[in-house]
Amino acid sequence: NAGVTQTPKFRVLKTGQSMTLLCAQDMNHEYMYWYRQDPGMGLRLIHYSVGEGTTAKGEVPDGYNVSRLKKQNFLLGLESAAPSQTSVYFCASTPGRFHEQYFGPGTRLTVT
Amino acid sequence: SQQGEEDPQALSIQEGENATMNCSYKTSINNLQWYRQNSGRGLVHLILIRSNEREKHSGRLRVTLDTSKKSSSLLITASRAADTASYFCATDNYGQNFVFGPGTRLSVLP
Repeated sequence: NAGVTQTPKFRVLKTGQSMTLLCAQDMNHEYMYWYRQDPGMGLRLIHYSVGEGTTAKGEVPDGYNVSRLKKQNFLLGLESAAPSQTSVYFCASTPGRFHEQYFGPGTRLTVT
Repeated sequence: SQQGEEDPQALSIQEGENATMNCSYKTSINNLQWYRQNSGRGLVHLILIRSNEREKHSGRLRVTLDTSKKSSSLLITASRAADTASYFCATDNYGQNFVFGPGTRLSVLP
């Protein structure tokens, strides 16, 4: 099993550009999450999904959109990138609410 | 707002010593989890402790939970250089998601 994979690993964007980050899991997990990690602030939840076709806002959703068209994939979109979105983005999945989360390796995004 | 807060923010010890880090939280929880993050990598789950449990062990790791004080501690015994990492607590406050603290950076010196 590959676990949780993220594409791409690194990306540099100019302000105003758009992009999509892909998260894929092969563990048949229902729940999937997108976090951002900034220095000294731990992880902050952007959006999450409790099943195929569902999405919900987390703590810091502004400027991001998500889609969960297939159970194994969770996409994070930036429609118009801003320098404040420079961060490391992590995807995670879990089989249920009260279980451990499995994390991907992260995507390092720089917006200039 | 962050539910969990780890303490200390940074900890430096010699190889072979024990490392203790603490997590405090604000509201009632269903469970609390500890994760490790090596530099530049994703988080790895260490231990999950439920609100009705007081202590759990996994290898050299020992986690305690005191719901009356809303706090948890992670003890790593006989530390190794490979334990150098950041450690995070995450709390499930009966919502649909977990809330992570800012982490403790542990350095184990050879």
